[in-house]
Amino acid sequence: KQEVTQIPAALSVPEGENLVLNCSFTDSAIYNLQWFRQDPGKGLTSLLLIQSSQREQTSGRLNASLDKSSGRSTLYIAASQPGDSATYLCAVLALSGAGSYQLTFGKGTKLSVIP
Amino acid sequence: DAGVTQSPTHLIKTRGQHVTLRCSPISGHKSVSWYQQVLGQGPQFIFQYYEKEERGRGNFPDRFSARQFPNYSSELNVNALLLGDSALYLCASSFWGEGDTQYFGPGTRLTVL
Repeated sequence: KQEVTQIPAALSVPEGENLVLNCSFTDSAIYNLQWFRQDPGKGLTSLLLIQSSQREQTSGRLNASLDKSSGRSTLYIAASQPGDSATYLCAVLALSGAGSYQLTFGKGTKLSVIP
Repeated sequence: DAGVTQSPTHLIKTRGQHVTLRCSPISGHKSVSWYQQVLGQGPQFIFQYYEKEERGRGNFPDRFSARQFPNYSSELNVNALLLGDSALYLCASSFWGEGDTQYFGPGTRLTVL
């Protein structure tokens, strides 16, 4: 059974700092990996999607890397801003035992950027 | 273009009741997935539908059921509600449903008393 772990559970940084969020997964047979952002009580916004054949994806100040063989991904946020404060969720897409593709999420990292 | 929409926004029910949640996907998307997110946890996969057929089912009891309509909108039904069913229910749509980016709606907050 696929399990996704995110460390740390919470992180507080001063504005302007660069930071790294970590994600690990137990089964390397994944189709892709996505990073999402969730604001309190809201739905999820997709930030980056990395296919299993890719090593990294970049969007603006965000960079996500994937090391499938070791079951790890990192999300790098450059020059953090107070508006980046949210919960960041990592999810892997893989075949379930029933033969369908399923997204498995971690519990998230709650980020607070202090002005 | 409108994103994924869900209704209602909030819902309060009592134990044993039945609830129906609704989702309209992004125009052109043919796949809809449902997730349950309990406070402090990541979303848990419940169902996926593509072209009105069930493509996948998570580890949820038979009290949970869903369907997709010809216009690709979807309903999630939960019978015999339990306190533990209190959660944010998220709907996501994608074009193919397998491997492409999923776009999430704002969710329906269900409280069971």
